Amino acid sequence: RKEVEQDPGPFNVPEGATVAFNCTYSNSASQSFFWYRQDCRKEPKLLMSVYSSGNEDGRFTAQLNRASQYISLLIRDSKLSDSATYLCVVNRRNTGFQKLVFGTGTRLLVSP
Amino acid sequence: DGGITQSPKYLFRKEGQNVTLSCEQNLNHDAMYWYRQDPGQGLRLIYYSQIVNDFQKGDIAEGYSVSREKKESFPLTVTSAQKNPTAFYLCASSDSGQGNYGYTFGSGTRLTVV
Repeated sequence: RKEVEQDPGPFNVPEGATVAFNCTYSNSASQSFFWYRQDCRKEPKLLMSVYSSGNEDGRFTAQLNRASQYISLLIRDSKLSDSATYLCVVNRRNTGFQKLVFGTGTRLLVSP
Repeated sequence: DGGITQSPKYLFRKEGQNVTLSCEQNLNHDAMYWYRQDPGQGLRLIYYSQIVNDFQKGDIAEGYSVSREKKESFPLTVTSAQKNPTAFYLCASSDSGQGNYGYTFGSGTRLTVV
């Protein structure tokens, strides 16, 4: 079983739609959670951290369910520029040192 | 502006050659990492370094070597022992290996075996 699992998609949505991505992780000791965005043939860029109480950044909302080991990302009012691959990321703590484990990503395509 | 610089952007290697990928950061970050990404796959950790003169193997270290002689620099050598080196290589850094910090990535090096 992969440490971080995501639906690869692609999710095809029209502009203005609301879309949600889910992610599950296997290491119950994980403490840090993130969503990264990766454009085609580019490096990943941090989109947002995910906090236990849930957090919002503009059109983006992230939720964490520790009991179910589940993370979600909601994008409202989708823009063409949101087309990218979204990576779910959790930490792996090894003797106090944090190493991030990346999911394979969920691809989003927003069409006019 | 602070950031991470990887070079070269594209690299072609002949069978049996060793090649070195450069990674330099001016963010004053202690921790640095090397990942490999293959098409349709997630990032896989090759090596990481918490501080200068210290580094640890990641999940797929075989066929690779690194050094960390300066805080700013963490070069990766892909040796001839790496049987399938064609991939997108990403270097990253973080302020600390402790706590809730994300990584900053360089723009990557695409390595192709010819």
